[in-house]
Amino acid sequence: DAKTTQPPSMDCAEGRAANLPCNHSTISGNEYVYWYRQIHSQGPQYIIHGLKNNETNEMASLIITEDRKSSTLILPHATLRDTAVYYCIVRVRDTNAGKSTFGDGTTLTVKP
Amino acid sequence: GAGVSQSPSNKVTEKGKDVELRCDPISGHTALYWYRQSLGQGLEFLIYFQGNSAPDKSGLPSDRFSAERTGGSVSTLTIQRTQQEDSAVYLCASSSSPTGRYEQYFGPGTRLTVT
Repeated sequence: DAKTTQPPSMDCAEGRAANLPCNHSTISGNEYVYWYRQIHSQGPQYIIHGLKNNETNEMASLIITEDRKSSTLILPHATLRDTAVYYCIVRVRDTNAGKSTFGDGTTLTVKP
Repeated sequence: GAGVSQSPSNKVTEKGKDVELRCDPISGHTALYWYRQSLGQGLEFLIYFQGNSAPDKSGLPSDRFSAERTGGSVSTLTIQRTQQEDSAVYLCASSSSPTGRYEQYFGPGTRLTVT
């Protein structure tokens, strides 16, 4: 799996958009970008994933650059409950893909 | 249905003792993963099971660590002769294809403390 780079921490005001960047310059053509988050004392939770097109679901939006070397997770209206560690990983979309390499993630703190 | 469950939720053991950690994946999920997370750190991959294939044990830190998955369902992670550096949260995840997303569903983890 390709390695990802994320800033260690970010702050966001409640109600504002949180934009979390991720660099994955060595991503392969068949690898997807997945985002997970981990709220304190819980297991990580899947948020969204994408290959090359922008994606949106009820939780977030994912913007992937045209060259696929970086992406941004957008939480459009951050709440205090969005305070968590956010992990960006890249992997093939296959159950046989094997392990996922999680880095240290970005600790997002949403402030009132 | 139910999510991934792990037991026990907390385990305190003395240095040198053996421990077993259990993971019940989501029914029908063919892939199962074990990770370890030390305090304030990211997830460290330990082992991966996929169906009847040989497991990927490349992340196991030493031969004191072993895992098995019986009947393609429940998995047990065993740590022999525990050391203080084994203290961490051990997370299990399972994955399958019905959603087409291949995302991993994580359990709540087992917090292991070695005294």
